[in-house]
Amino acid sequence: AQSVTQLGSHVSVSEGALVLLRCNYSSSVPPYLFWYVQYPNQGLQLLLKYTTGATLVKGINGFEAEFKKSETSFHLTKPSAHMSDAAEYFCAVSDLGSGNTGKLIFGQGTTLQVKP
Amino acid sequence: NAGVTQTPKFQVLKTGQSMTLQCAQDMNHNSMYWYRQDPGMGLRLIYYSASEGTTDKGEVPNGYNVSRLNKREFSLRLESAAPSQTSVYFCSSGQNTDTQYFGPGTRLTVL
Repeated sequence: AQSVTQLGSHVSVSEGALVLLRCNYSSSVPPYLFWYVQYPNQGLQLLLKYTTGATLVKGINGFEAEFKKSETSFHLTKPSAHMSDAAEYFCAVSDLGSGNTGKLIFGQGTTLQVKP
Repeated sequence: NAGVTQTPKFQVLKTGQSMTLQCAQDMNHNSMYWYRQDPGMGLRLIYYSASEGTTDKGEVPNGYNVSRLNKREFSLRLESAAPSQTSVYFCSSGQNTDTQYFGPGTRLTVL
């Protein structure tokens, strides 16, 4: 069965600093991986996804993530944090083991704080 | 193009009351999902509908029922609300294993 672990429930960075949010997954089949962002009192919005092909995936707002099969990781990075990046971030894996139902298994989330 | 809409946005119930959360999508997606979000637990799948006419249980289905009314609409019903069902509920839709699009959520408090 698939599972997702996000290391660190809270991450704090200074404006302009590197953002690194960690995600490790467990999957018995080649995974589809997603990062979603949730701004306060809003729904989830897709940042980026990996399905097949290039392992370095670029998303919206300057974020990117690299799929590393050997490390079972899909960490999210951004070179320079902006105040508007403060939000909660969720890593998710598609439950492909159950057929093409599209069910997502989410990590517990990481709250990113950006300090001026 | 509204995407995924949910009603109501907020609701307060007393223990034992019932209610239905409504969800609709206008993207012609086959699959629709209901999740609940609790602090420190991410989102957990309650029920899903992989296609019109089918529904199936997710990780936390107890205390809930669903109806896939047509391709656009997927409702979630609490027959007898309990304080443990206090949560934020999200509906989403997608095309099989592709990106899911989420609604704005319903904040439910059960007293």
